[in-house]
Amino acid sequence: QVQLVQSGAEVKPPGASVKVSCKASEYIFTDYYVHWVRQAPGQGLEWMGWIDPTNGAPEYAQKFQGAVTMTMDTSISTAYLELTRLKSDDTAVYYCAREDPRFSMDVWGQGSTVIVSS
Amino acid sequence: DIQMTQSPSSLSASVGDRVTITCQASQDIGKYLNWYQQKPGKAPKLLIYGADYLEKGVPSRVSGSGSATDFTFTISSLQPEDVATYYCQQYHTLRTFGQGTKVHIK
Repeated sequence: QVQLVQSGAEVKPPGASVKVSCKASEYIFTDYYVHWVRQAPGQGLEWMGWIDPTNGAPEYAQKFQGAVTMTMDTSISTAYLELTRLKSDDTAVYYCAREDPRFSMDVWGQGSTVIVSS
Repeated sequence: DIQMTQSPSSLSASVGDRVTITCQASQDIGKYLNWYQQKPGKAPKLLIYGADYLEKGVPSRVSGSGSATDFTFTISSLQPEDVATYYCQQYHTLRTFGQGTKVHIK
């Protein structure tokens, strides 16, 4: 079935980088934007940005500009989220989600937990 | 940036009660609004798109309404399986989520 499968949990020290992956299956990867959404422990959903898989162009929420990089590899239907210079408040679950033609996030990954701790 | 303000932040209601959540946008967003449900430890699930269209497979006790800056999400008869956190999300300009409303059973 249509799904997004994300990479596993990561534990990183402060100042490190991490790259989370999101692999799409059973649909044409280039037909749908991929969004990234962050959820800190006990907090709400926070939109981070999207990547347009037709041209690889990202669009970031202002808060995350300069702190994250969204990329993709269409040959393996995978989107990536890289976070650099990690801080403790980057500890969160990171979700990828597909946006359908109704501008709705209709398919979500299972979430990738990133823990920033020394 | 467009800000989305949900209220209340949490509510407690009895099984069978009518539950209403409001979402206010900081500027006119037309009907460019979605609603999601999130259960603990799970990814969000789309319930309503375009302010008032029910996603396939979502129970008809769920509905959405509104336009411009004021939106409402309603569960007409609360069921135990509706315990979750609900989020509005605008797609007029970039994307923004409301802060969420946690629904409990009394």
